[in-house]
Amino acid sequence: NAGVTQTPKFRVLKTGQSMTLLCAQDMNHEYMYWYRQDPGMGLRLIHYSVGEGTTAKGEVPDGYNVSRLKKQNFLLGLESAAPSQTSVYFCASSQHGTGKWSGNTIYFGEGSWLTVV
Amino acid sequence: AQSVTQLDSQVPVFEEAPVELRCNYSSSVSVYLFWYVQYPNQGLQLLLKYLSGSTLVKGINGFEAEFNKSQTSFHLRKPSVHISDTAEYFCAVSFPSGGYQKVTFGTGTKLQVIP
Repeated sequence: NAGVTQTPKFRVLKTGQSMTLLCAQDMNHEYMYWYRQDPGMGLRLIHYSVGEGTTAKGEVPDGYNVSRLKKQNFLLGLESAAPSQTSVYFCASSQHGTGKWSGNTIYFGEGSWLTVV
Repeated sequence: AQSVTQLDSQVPVFEEAPVELRCNYSSSVSVYLFWYVQYPNQGLQLLLKYLSGSTLVKGINGFEAEFNKSQTSFHLRKPSVHISDTAEYFCAVSFPSGGYQKVTFGTGTKLQVIP
């Protein structure tokens, strides 16, 4: 019962380097999300996807790119890392249904700790 | 615009004492309400949610929350806390927007249970 799996769990980057965070879910969910969590600011949505091949910007998209080539995977890329991107990143997914679909539970991964020096 | 306010950033409470974590929301449309819990170094997991029906919702680990539409609140309560309840708790509102489930999280309340 893996749920949502993120890799890597920890990473230290130098300013200007690039990297990709990988997310995989095995629940056949339509929706996938990338959040960042910073002290005192709760969770902020970076990008999301409502289905394979689609992506959209969230609240704080600048400096990040995403791709959803397969339904089960959602990748978050940092092209040129900056110290302001030091954060904990969470991938999440939820099922898109009919009726009370916006009441769907969001399932989170365990987080990826990223430090940019 | 929808927003969620958790006024208490930290709540210390002695073991076996009751606790209430406050959540207020603002919305011009009907919303669904959630409480998520985050244990140290883990992701968030669902405690409970309100979709419709009874305004008193029971969740896992003995927690419950009451939806109060007139006061736009969804406070979380537990009659007797344990050390294992030490965690950060997030209130969230969810509503349909542009074809997707838009969720806004509060800034979190850290519950510290004191032995």
